[in-house]
Amino acid sequence: KAGVTQTPRYLIKTRGQQVTLSCSPISGHRSVSWYQQTPGQGLQFLFEYFSETQRNKGNFPGRFSGRQFSNSRSEMNVSTLELGDSALYLCASQIELSTEAFFGQGTRLTVV
Amino acid sequence: GNSVTQMEGPVTLSEEAFLTINCTYTATGYPSLFWYVQYPGEGLQLLLKATKADDKGSNKGFEATYRKETTSFHLEKGSVQVSDSAVYFCALLTGAGTALIFGKGTTLSVSS
Repeated sequence: KAGVTQTPRYLIKTRGQQVTLSCSPISGHRSVSWYQQTPGQGLQFLFEYFSETQRNKGNFPGRFSGRQFSNSRSEMNVSTLELGDSALYLCASQIELSTEAFFGQGTRLTVV
Repeated sequence: GNSVTQMEGPVTLSEEAFLTINCTYTATGYPSLFWYVQYPGEGLQLLLKATKADDKGSNKGFEATYRKETTSFHLEKGSVQVSDSAVYFCALLTGAGTALIFGKGTTLSVSS
């Protein structure tokens, strides 16, 4: 069974630009969560999607948004990028809401 | 609120030494508990889990027991290898509509 696939693996963007990250969950998993990992703040929850609806949201500004498609694939978007958005963005796949999570390899975003 | 506290790292051991990484938690109700491992440049891998008191999770020689009386979930391994060098995260999940809450991570370095 294929694991969680995140694309791209690496991104370099300039301040003020926007970026879209993609996540394909494990086949049969209906919930996708996103986390931001930085050396200073550790792992922080962004949002969780189930059946194309956002079910849970972390404490991030509105520049961070996401969506889930009918095939459970998910995207997250960050607009008006800031230097502090540089991080590893991790997608987690879950069979149902709030069950054990299986993570992708992450997308490393660098904002310059 | 809910939280996870892990011992500060880094933990530096010689090959074949005994490993303990302490993890304690604060949570309402009966959370599920997890250990994740992150190798350099990679995402998180689920190492083991326990869903109720006195459960013992085990995988690849690692073990952790869910102790409700001490609100702990310490990770142990009898004989570490160089390949175990990684960052280890303790996490909890309290139920429907919630996200994983992670500790800050403990870096393990094993030398031959």
